Amino acid sequence: QSVLTQPPSVSAAPGQKVTISCSGSSSDIGNNYASWYQQLPGTAPKLLIYENNKRPSGIPDRFSGSKSGTSATLDITGLQTGDEADYYCGTWDRSLSAGVFGGGTKLTVL
Amino acid sequence: EVQLLESGGGLVQPGGSLRLSCAASGFTFRSYDMSWVRQAPGKGLEWVSIVGGSSSTTYYADSVKGRFTISRDNSKNTLHLQMNSLRAEDTAVYYCAKGYYSGYVDHWGQGTLVTVSS
Repeated sequence: QSVLTQPPSVSAAPGQKVTISCSGSSSDIGNNYASWYQQLPGTAPKLLIYENNKRPSGIPDRFSGSKSGTSATLDITGLQTGDEADYYCGTWDRSLSAGVFGGGTKLTVL
Repeated sequence: EVQLLESGGGLVQPGGSLRLSCAASGFTFRSYDMSWVRQAPGKGLEWVSIVGGSSSTTYYADSVKGRFTISRDNSKNTLHLQMNSLRAEDTAVYYCAKGYYSGYVDHWGQGTLVTVSS
């Protein structure tokens, strides 16, 4: 069982917006930055969002992140079929000195 | 361009050992903490271990503590994971990852598959 809680799946039509939630605790997300990763089928994960809301170079602004208290959120607007992937949230738990991830959310673009 | 290239995966019997390596390039290796993250078939990501830039600090997931050892050779820009007493539940793709103390992994390797089976 993962430390961070994500919905197993979300879906929306092309062009629409989807929100993926990530719930943690005071020792993980509540005490550090949240990050988000995209894993396309058969490939390695890729960093989408770091330090709650920052995008690495090359990540389109359709992807945005936010954090409030012990929860983080990933928003994807203008959905494209190419966005179909698994999305994971993660952070470093300073109390446990351990990395933690959510269980992952499968995005389906209908 | 940051590149992380894992090697050393394969098929091993339960109770056996395996040593994974990760060759890093495109950044000042000694300046960054490095992690191993694994993904069992059809499952999510699981953080395994991390080592600080100077090797002075190491941490492990409870599931591998006492069996796995992370190390690095900054003179060769290489990260290692020595895996002993392997179990079937250690079967996974193992990713070499740059970072995580700061709360994120900014680069990932392509992964190497470890299969523990008789």
